[in-house]
Amino acid sequence: EPEVTQTPSHQVTQMGQEVILRCVPISNHLYFYWYRQILGQKVEFLVSFYNNEISEKSEIFDDQFSVERPDGSNFTLKIRSTKLEDSAMYFCASSEATPGTGLYTEAFFGQGTRLTVV
Amino acid sequence: AQRVTQPEKLLSVFKGAPVELKCNYSYSGSPELFWYVQYSRQRLQLLLRHISRESIKGFTADLNKGETSFHLKKPFAQEEDSAMYYCAQGGSSGGGADGLTFGKGTHLIIQP
Repeated sequence: EPEVTQTPSHQVTQMGQEVILRCVPISNHLYFYWYRQILGQKVEFLVSFYNNEISEKSEIFDDQFSVERPDGSNFTLKIRSTKLEDSAMYFCASSEATPGTGLYTEAFFGQGTRLTVV
Repeated sequence: AQRVTQPEKLLSVFKGAPVELKCNYSYSGSPELFWYVQYSRQRLQLLLRHISRESIKGFTADLNKGETSFHLKKPFAQEEDSAMYYCAQGGSSGGGADGLTFGKGTHLIIQP
């Protein structure tokens, strides 16, 4: 069964460093997402991506964050200068959307990358 | 802004007892509501969605627009139901582009 895969599973970085979190969405999916979950808190939407551009982003997704689909398979989240409060589990998800029908199709999640900023 | 409320952080019931996990949402046009489950050391996965009105692993959830609720229920809990359960609301603008708004989650523990 196809899965969303994320690498690495755990990333430790120093404050101020840049990190890139990688995701391989399910191959025939068109919409891609990043979510994060700070320890003990809820899962929060960061950004959605469709047709090689950001479709929607939350207030959390400020100028320190960027997303990219550098090739036909990878979807990356970059944090330019990490802060302690960026420590969280980051989940990638993808869905096979059906534009125009008003139906929200199922989002499939990766296992997550635990980012620890020290 | 959309808001999803799960009032119980932890719910512990005995095996065979009924389970109800509460979820309330903020009204936003035509809400699309989901329950996601995360078993220990596994990824988030969709349990059910209101639009399909199906029962998965014995769980059901009915959308009550009057009470803006989407409570998850199961008549007889099983030990393998122990997990984190997240209620989520999808965007109402269509096209599937909007992100999900999650509740804080309820940790369900089924005691033998």
